Amino acid sequence: GAGVSQSPSNKVTEKGKDVELRCDPISGHTALYWYRQRLGQGLEFLIYFQGNSAPDKSGLPSDRFSAERTGESVSTLTIQRTQQEDSAVYLCASSLYTDRYNEQFFGPGTRLTVL
Amino acid sequence: AQSVTQLDSQVPVFEEAPVELRCNYSSSVSVYLFWYVQYPNQGLQLLLKYLSGSTLVESINGFEAEFNKSQTSFHLRKPSVHISDTAEYFCAVKNTDKLIFGTGTRLQVFP
Repeated sequence: GAGVSQSPSNKVTEKGKDVELRCDPISGHTALYWYRQRLGQGLEFLIYFQGNSAPDKSGLPSDRFSAERTGESVSTLTIQRTQQEDSAVYLCASSLYTDRYNEQFFGPGTRLTVL
Repeated sequence: AQSVTQLDSQVPVFEEAPVELRCNYSSSVSVYLFWYVQYPNQGLQLLLKYLSGSTLVESINGFEAEFNKSQTSFHLRKPSVHISDTAEYFCAVKNTDKLIFGTGTRLQVFP
């Protein structure tokens, strides 16, 4: 079946603009995660959803970042008033449940470049 | 908070040589450990995981990792690498519902 998909694959924007990144998880997966991968650094947790609610938003770096999920499916990560330090690859993952036995399946990522 | 350390940012090795990619984690009561691989221009894929039971876990392509509680390590090894193993490898620990990742090790296999 289809894996996790993300769009766009690449996004170049100007500083100060808003961007929306989309994630389509594997059908039936109740948990959805967003991570950020900056050049030369590890993956950084941003937020996760269980169903449509977000029990853990602790990783969002500032109030310019927000995310929502609807229909226990698609999720959108929005970055307002982008800054150059927001440049990174944004990765989405989904899993059947959040418990330890369930593997997180990752999408190919969206490469965001803020000029 | 749990954390993961991958001391080697790059590991160059010749084809058919053995390799070890190091991973250390901060101690916790329950530890669930993972290795993910990211091939060029692809997303992350799970390579292997330790949840409980046998401390030695294996992947289908010849990699293995050993959970060592006393040394808080989960090093990844392969006795003979192939060109196609060239990739970035990430060690991760599960913290409640999310994964905490190391900074990654780029394995470069030369012919």
